[in-house]
Parts: sequence; C-alpha cells; structure tokens
Amino acid sequence: NAGVTQTPKFQVLKTGQSMTLQCAQDMNHEYMSWYRQDPGMGLRLIHYSVGAGITDQGEVPNGYNVSRSTTEDFPLRLLSAAPSQTSVYFCASSYIAGGYSNQPQHFGDGTRLSIL
Amino acid sequence: AQSVTQLDSHVSVSEGTPVLLRCNYSSSYSPSLFWYVQHPNKGLQLLLKYTSAATLVKGINGFEAEFKKSETSFHLTKPSAHMSDAAEYFCVVSENTGKLIFGQGTTLQVKP
Repeated sequence: NAGVTQTPKFQVLKTGQSMTLQCAQDMNHEYMSWYRQDPGMGLRLIHYSVGAGITDQGEVPNGYNVSRSTTEDFPLRLLSAAPSQTSVYFCASSYIAGGYSNQPQHFGDGTRLSIL
Repeated sequence: AQSVTQLDSHVSVSEGTPVLLRCNYSSSYSPSLFWYVQHPNKGLQLLLKYTSAATLVKGINGFEAEFKKSETSFHLTKPSAHMSDAAEYFCVVSENTGKLIFGQGTTLQVKP
C-alpha cells in the first residue's frame, strides 16, 4: 500500500551541487507533478507530466529538470543548487479521467531540502 | 486566470466548538475545488472534493464544504473541533489540465 514514495526525506546540499529527487507511484496514475512549498505561499507547481515521455513546465520551472521514462517514476533534477531552492518538495500523482485531470491527487510525504 | 484566496492565515478555536475556514475562488468556468489537510512533516491529504454534483460536499473526519457560485466561495466547516484537527488546510482549484492552484493555507489551532 505504498502510494507515492519520495526519496530522500531530507537533504543538505552546497551551492552549485546537483542532485535528483526521486518520486515513484504504484497506482498506475498517468498524471504526476512536482511542487515546492514555501512558508505563506502554498504549493507552487514546478513541472508536470501527463504520461510517459510527456512533460511540461509549471509555474516555477527554472533551475529544475524532469523526465518521465516510465509511468511509475518522475525524478526531479536540480542542475546547480542555489539557496533560493531551499524548500520542501512534494510529488503528486492522479488519474486522468475523460480527458480531464480534475481527480484528487495523492501526495508523497515530501523531501526537505536545504541549500547552504 | 484561476486563483484561490484563503481569507485567514490563522484560525484558533477551542476543542468542541465549530470550525470555519474561508476560501474564495475565481474561475472562468465551473471549477473543480478541493480542500486538503497537511499535518506537520507530512504530505497533503484530500479532505473533500467538489465537481459540480451536490453543492454541499461531505468529507472525511466530519468536515464539509458548501459551493456557493453566487459568492464564489467554498468554505470548510466542522461542527465540533477535535485536537487532532490542528493542521494546515489548503483550498485548491483544479484546471482541466490537472494543474492545481493552491491557496496560501490556513493554520488551524485547537485549544484544549
């Protein structure tokens, strides 16, 4: 009964380092997305995918890359970490029904990332 | 463009008293609206969802919300607060593409 699994749960990086945040779901959801959560700003969409091989930018994509080679996995890459990317990152997934993606999204427990 | 405004950043109630968390939205078409709850150091959990069926939506843990198109509101209520309800609550509108637009969040404090 895993749902959406994010790894690692915590990470500290130095400015300029790169890393990949992992996200996997076992519900065969077509739609996957990455959000960042900052105090007083709710969650903001970074990138999303409507299926394997298809990705698109969200509200705050700069400094992040994604790929979707399988239905299950949707990793988020930080190319050159900056202190402004210190945040809590959430991965989410959902079904796409009838061409619309207004289905409830399932969230992972988050990755808490600090950039020094 | 769609947007969501949560009218209170912080709400404090006593255990056993009613809860009201306010949310207004703007949308160019009939929206899908959600309330999510986030407990400390956890991901978001769906409380309830409105998708143009009944305007009064019942969710988990005794929460409900009423969609009022004339007021563009989707306020979350619970008749009697419990200590375990203390958390952050997010009102969310969904675009048809699946993109979610989040409100800024309301922190609910429940006092004994």
